Amino acid sequence: DAGVTQSPTHLIKTRGQHVTLRCSPISGHKSVSWYQQVLGQGPQFIFQYYEKEERGRGNFPDRFSARQFPNYSSELNVNALLLGDSALYLCASSRQGRQPQHFGDGTRLSIL
Amino acid sequence: QQQVKQSPQSLIVQKGGISIINCAYENTAFDYFPWYQQFPGKGPALLIAIRPDVSEKKEGRFTISFNKSAKQFSLHIMDSQPGDSATYFCAARRPNTGNQFYFGTGTSLTVIP
Repeated sequence: DAGVTQSPTHLIKTRGQHVTLRCSPISGHKSVSWYQQVLGQGPQFIFQYYEKEERGRGNFPDRFSARQFPNYSSELNVNALLLGDSALYLCASSRQGRQPQHFGDGTRLSIL
Repeated sequence: QQQVKQSPQSLIVQKGGISIINCAYENTAFDYFPWYQQFPGKGPALLIAIRPDVSEKKEGRFTISFNKSAKQFSLHIMDSQPGDSATYFCAARRPNTGNQFYFGTGTSLTVIP
């Protein structure tokens, strides 16, 4: 079975732009979580979605939003990009809300 | 405030030696403690995990030791191999949530032949 897939793998944007990152969970997984990993740090929780409903939100500004689609794939949207948004954005999926999660290889976002 | 504190930041071990990475947490309500391994350019991969009602869990060369009273847990890698060279993260699951985790800051492990 395919693992968690994320697209694109790399992205370069400029300050003030908007970005959409995409995630396809492992087949059969209904929960998707998003994390931000700044270089040299551990991942920081942004959102969790389970059965298409938001189940958790981390300490990120309203510029960050997400949604989950009927096929359980997910999008992370970030508006008004800042230099500090440069990071690796990770998606993780799990079969149900509280089961072990599996990470994708992330989207590397660079803001110029 | 860092919810999970991890040490050391980096570690160099000889092949065949034991690698030990430590984590400490504050919130006694955390209910699940996984360790992840991350190679450059890859996402974290779940290695081993433990619940707070267990003091030790072993899977192959990897062992988690958990000290609930001290609010500490550690990863031991026995017979360390050059292929184990990676960054390791501990994490703790936030209570009363779905699957929200706090991660440590990571330990860069280098195993020299």
